[in-house]
Amino acid sequence: GAGVSQTPSNKVTEKGKYVELRCDPISGHTALYWYRQSLGQGPEFLIYFQGTGAADDSGLPNDRFFAVRPEGSVSTLKIQRTERGDSAMYLCASSLQYQETQYFGPGTRLLVL
Amino acid sequence: AQKVTQAQTEISVVEKEDVTLDCVYETRDTTYYLFWYKQPPSGELVFLIRRNSFDEQNEISGRYSWNFQKSTSSFNFTITASQVVDSAVYFCALSDSGNTPLVFGKGTRLSVIA
Repeated sequence: GAGVSQTPSNKVTEKGKYVELRCDPISGHTALYWYRQSLGQGPEFLIYFQGTGAADDSGLPNDRFFAVRPEGSVSTLKIQRTERGDSAMYLCASSLQYQETQYFGPGTRLLVL
Repeated sequence: AQKVTQAQTEISVVEKEDVTLDCVYETRDTTYYLFWYKQPPSGELVFLIRRNSFDEQNEISGRYSWNFQKSTSSFNFTITASQVVDSAVYFCALSDSGNTPLVFGKGTRLSVIA
Protein backbone atom coordinates (compact mmCIF):
# COMPACT_ATOMS: atom_id res chain seq x y z
CA GLY A 1 0.00 0.00 0.00
CA ALA A 2 0.92 3.66 -0.20
CA GLY A 3 3.28 4.99 2.39
CA VAL A 4 3.34 8.37 4.10
CA SER A 5 3.53 11.20 1.60
CA GLN A 6 4.66 14.76 2.17
CA THR A 7 4.39 17.83 -0.01
CA PRO A 8 6.22 19.79 -1.13
CA SER A 9 9.47 17.87 -1.16
CA ASN A 10 11.39 21.13 -1.10
CA LYS A 11 10.34 24.62 -0.11
CA VAL A 12 12.39 27.77 -0.39
CA THR A 13 10.97 30.89 1.21
CA GLU A 14 12.08 34.26 2.44
CA LYS A 15 12.46 35.31 6.03
CA GLY A 16 9.16 36.52 7.42
CA LYS A 17 6.94 34.54 5.06
CA TYR A 18 4.29 31.98 5.97
CA VAL A 19 4.63 28.33 4.89
CA GLU A 20 2.45 25.25 5.03
CA LEU A 21 3.79 21.71 4.91
CA ARG A 22 1.43 18.84 4.21
CA CYS A 23 1.47 15.24 5.38
CA ASP A 24 -0.75 12.43 4.14
CA PRO A 25 -0.44 9.41 6.47
CA ILE A 26 -0.84 5.76 5.70
CA SER A 27 -4.53 4.95 5.31
CA GLY A 28 -6.05 3.79 8.58
CA HIS A 29 -3.29 5.13 10.79
CA THR A 30 -4.78 7.07 13.68
CA ALA A 31 -1.58 8.54 15.09
CA LEU A 32 0.42 11.18 13.22
CA TYR A 33 3.68 12.80 14.25
CA TRP A 34 5.77 15.75 13.09
CA TYR A 35 9.52 15.87 13.64
CA ARG A 36 12.21 18.37 12.65
CA GLN A 37 15.68 17.28 11.66
CA SER A 38 18.55 19.72 11.46
CA LEU A 39 21.71 18.90 9.55
CA GLY A 40 23.78 16.26 11.28
CA GLN A 41 21.20 15.66 14.00
CA GLY A 42 18.52 13.11 14.74
CA PRO A 43 14.86 13.99 14.28
CA GLU A 44 13.31 15.98 17.11
CA PHE A 45 9.67 15.70 18.06
CA LEU A 46 7.35 18.61 17.37
CA ILE A 47 3.74 17.46 17.76
CA TYR A 48 1.63 14.33 17.82
CA PHE A 49 -2.02 13.80 16.84
CA GLN A 50 -4.32 11.02 17.90
CA GLY A 51 -7.24 11.36 15.52
CA THR A 52 -8.09 15.02 15.04
CA GLY A 53 -6.71 16.34 18.30
CA ALA A 54 -3.17 17.31 19.17
CA ALA A 55 -2.35 14.94 22.02
CA ASP A 56 1.09 16.40 22.65
CA ASP A 57 2.47 19.65 21.20
CA SER A 58 5.28 20.05 23.71
CA GLY A 59 7.91 19.96 21.00
CA LEU A 60 6.71 23.01 19.08
CA PRO A 61 9.51 25.55 19.53
CA ASN A 62 7.30 28.64 19.80
CA ASP A 63 3.92 30.06 18.85
CA ARG A 64 4.96 30.62 15.24
CA PHE A 65 4.48 26.89 14.73
CA PHE A 66 1.04 25.36 14.53
CA ALA A 67 -0.37 22.12 13.14
CA VAL A 68 -3.85 20.84 12.34
CA ARG A 69 -5.48 17.58 11.38
CA PRO A 70 -9.12 18.54 10.89
CA GLU A 71 -10.49 15.25 9.59
CA GLY A 72 -8.15 12.87 11.32
CA SER A 73 -6.15 12.08 8.20
CA VAL A 74 -4.11 14.73 6.38
CA SER A 75 -2.15 17.13 8.58
CA THR A 76 -0.70 20.55 7.85
CA LEU A 77 2.22 22.08 9.71
CA LYS A 78 2.07 25.85 9.55
CA ILE A 79 4.98 28.19 10.24
CA GLN A 80 4.38 31.92 10.51
CA ARG A 81 6.98 34.65 10.12
CA THR A 82 9.66 32.16 9.14
CA GLU A 83 13.20 32.66 10.39
CA ARG A 84 16.47 31.37 8.97
CA GLY A 85 16.76 29.04 11.95
CA ASP A 86 13.60 27.25 10.81
CA SER A 87 15.56 25.79 7.89
CA ALA A 88 15.53 22.02 8.35
CA MET A 89 14.02 18.78 7.13
CA TYR A 90 10.47 18.37 8.41
CA LEU A 91 9.47 14.75 8.76
CA CYS A 92 6.03 13.30 9.21
CA ALA A 93 5.30 9.80 10.50
CA SER A 94 2.18 7.78 11.17
CA SER A 95 1.35 4.67 13.16
CA LEU A 96 -1.72 2.48 13.55
CA GLN A 97 -2.05 3.64 17.11
CA TYR A 98 0.12 5.50 19.55
CA GLN A 99 3.32 3.62 20.42
CA GLU A 100 3.02 1.35 17.46
CA THR A 101 5.84 1.48 14.94
CA GLN A 102 6.09 4.85 13.21
CA TYR A 103 6.53 4.92 9.46
CA PHE A 104 8.09 8.04 8.02
CA GLY A 105 7.47 10.04 4.89
CA PRO A 106 10.21 11.39 2.61
CA GLY A 107 10.22 14.76 4.36
CA THR A 108 10.00 18.39 3.28
CA ARG A 109 13.27 20.24 3.11
CA LEU A 110 12.61 23.84 4.12
CA LEU A 111 15.10 26.59 3.35
CA VAL A 112 14.49 30.07 4.69
CA LEU A 113 16.61 32.70 2.98
CA ALA B 1 14.42 11.88 31.14
CA GLN B 2 14.98 9.76 28.10
CA LYS B 3 18.21 9.88 26.17
CA VAL B 4 19.80 7.93 23.34
CA THR B 5 23.53 8.08 22.71
CA GLN B 6 25.20 6.95 19.52
CA ALA B 7 28.82 7.62 20.23
CA GLN B 8 30.05 6.77 16.75
CA THR B 9 29.52 9.75 14.49
CA GLU B 10 30.98 8.19 11.36
CA ILE B 11 32.22 4.74 10.45
CA SER B 12 33.90 3.71 7.25
CA VAL B 13 34.38 0.06 6.27
CA VAL B 14 35.40 -1.86 3.21
CA GLU B 15 32.76 -3.94 1.51
CA LYS B 16 32.23 -7.40 3.04
CA GLU B 17 33.50 -6.34 6.44
CA ASP B 18 31.24 -6.72 9.46
CA VAL B 19 30.35 -3.54 11.31
CA THR B 20 28.61 -2.85 14.63
CA LEU B 21 26.77 0.36 15.40
CA ASP B 22 26.46 1.16 19.09
CA CYS B 23 23.42 2.52 20.88
CA VAL B 24 23.14 3.29 24.58
CA TYR B 25 19.89 4.52 26.08
CA GLU B 26 18.62 6.03 29.32
CA THR B 27 15.11 5.78 30.69
CA ARG B 28 13.43 5.46 34.07
CA ASP B 29 10.62 3.33 32.74
CA THR B 30 10.56 -0.42 32.99
CA THR B 31 8.46 -0.69 29.84
CA TYR B 32 9.91 0.90 26.76
CA TYR B 33 10.54 0.29 23.07
CA LEU B 34 13.74 0.52 21.10
CA PHE B 35 14.03 1.09 17.37
CA TRP B 36 16.56 1.32 14.59
CA TYR B 37 15.94 3.35 11.46
CA LYS B 38 18.04 3.74 8.31
CA GLN B 39 18.23 7.09 6.50
CA PRO B 40 19.74 6.73 3.01
CA PRO B 41 20.85 9.80 1.04
CA SER B 42 17.27 10.23 -0.24
CA GLY B 43 16.33 11.32 3.28
CA GLU B 44 13.44 9.00 4.09
CA LEU B 45 13.71 7.15 7.40
CA VAL B 46 13.28 3.43 6.86
CA PHE B 47 12.12 1.29 9.77
CA LEU B 48 14.40 -1.66 10.56
CA ILE B 49 13.39 -3.10 13.91
CA ARG B 50 11.31 -2.53 17.05
CA ARG B 51 12.05 -4.28 20.32
CA ASN B 52 10.21 -4.03 23.63
CA SER B 53 12.00 -3.97 26.95
CA PHE B 54 10.73 -7.38 28.02
CA ASP B 55 12.18 -9.19 25.06
CA GLU B 56 15.94 -9.51 25.37
CA GLN B 57 16.35 -12.15 22.73
CA ASN B 58 18.76 -11.19 20.03
CA GLU B 59 17.30 -10.96 16.56
CA ILE B 60 18.70 -11.75 13.17
CA SER B 61 17.24 -10.68 9.85
CA GLY B 62 19.39 -11.63 6.91
CA ARG B 63 22.69 -9.75 7.24
CA TYR B 64 21.32 -7.65 10.10
CA SER B 65 21.40 -8.60 13.76
CA TRP B 66 20.60 -6.80 16.97
CA ASN B 67 22.01 -7.33 20.46
CA PHE B 68 19.80 -6.00 23.26
CA GLN B 69 21.36 -5.97 26.73
CA LYS B 70 19.36 -4.37 29.53
CA SER B 71 22.26 -4.76 31.97
CA THR B 72 24.28 -2.24 29.96
CA SER B 73 21.31 -0.33 28.48
CA SER B 74 22.54 -1.07 25.00
CA PHE B 75 20.88 -2.04 21.75
CA ASN B 76 23.65 -2.57 19.22
CA PHE B 77 23.18 -3.25 15.53
CA THR B 78 25.53 -5.41 13.45
CA ILE B 79 25.67 -5.64 9.69
CA THR B 80 27.44 -8.74 8.45
CA ALA B 81 29.26 -8.73 5.12
CA SER B 82 28.50 -5.07 4.50
CA GLN B 83 27.55 -3.84 1.04
CA VAL B 84 27.76 -0.45 -0.62
CA VAL B 85 23.95 -0.18 -0.43
CA ASP B 86 24.24 -0.23 3.35
CA SER B 87 25.79 3.24 3.23
CA ALA B 88 23.41 5.52 5.14
CA VAL B 89 22.87 7.23 8.45
CA TYR B 90 21.50 4.87 11.07
CA PHE B 91 19.42 6.10 13.98
CA CYS B 92 18.61 4.39 17.24
CA ALA B 93 15.44 5.59 18.98
CA LEU B 94 13.56 5.07 22.24
CA SER B 95 9.92 5.38 23.22
CA ASP B 96 8.65 4.72 26.73
CA SER B 97 5.28 3.55 27.94
CA GLY B 98 4.08 7.02 28.79
CA ASN B 99 2.94 9.81 26.53
CA THR B 100 6.26 10.46 24.87
CA PRO B 101 7.11 10.04 21.20
CA LEU B 102 10.38 8.77 19.76
CA VAL B 103 13.62 10.13 21.12
CA PHE B 104 16.41 9.72 18.59
CA GLY B 105 20.15 9.53 18.89
CA LYS B 106 22.28 11.74 16.68
CA GLY B 107 22.88 8.94 14.24
CA THR B 108 25.90 7.11 12.89
CA ARG B 109 26.94 7.71 9.29
CA LEU B 110 28.10 4.44 7.75
CA SER B 111 30.14 4.49 4.57
CA VAL B 112 30.80 1.18 2.87
CA ILE B 113 33.56 1.42 0.30
CA ALA B 114 33.78 -0.96 -2.63
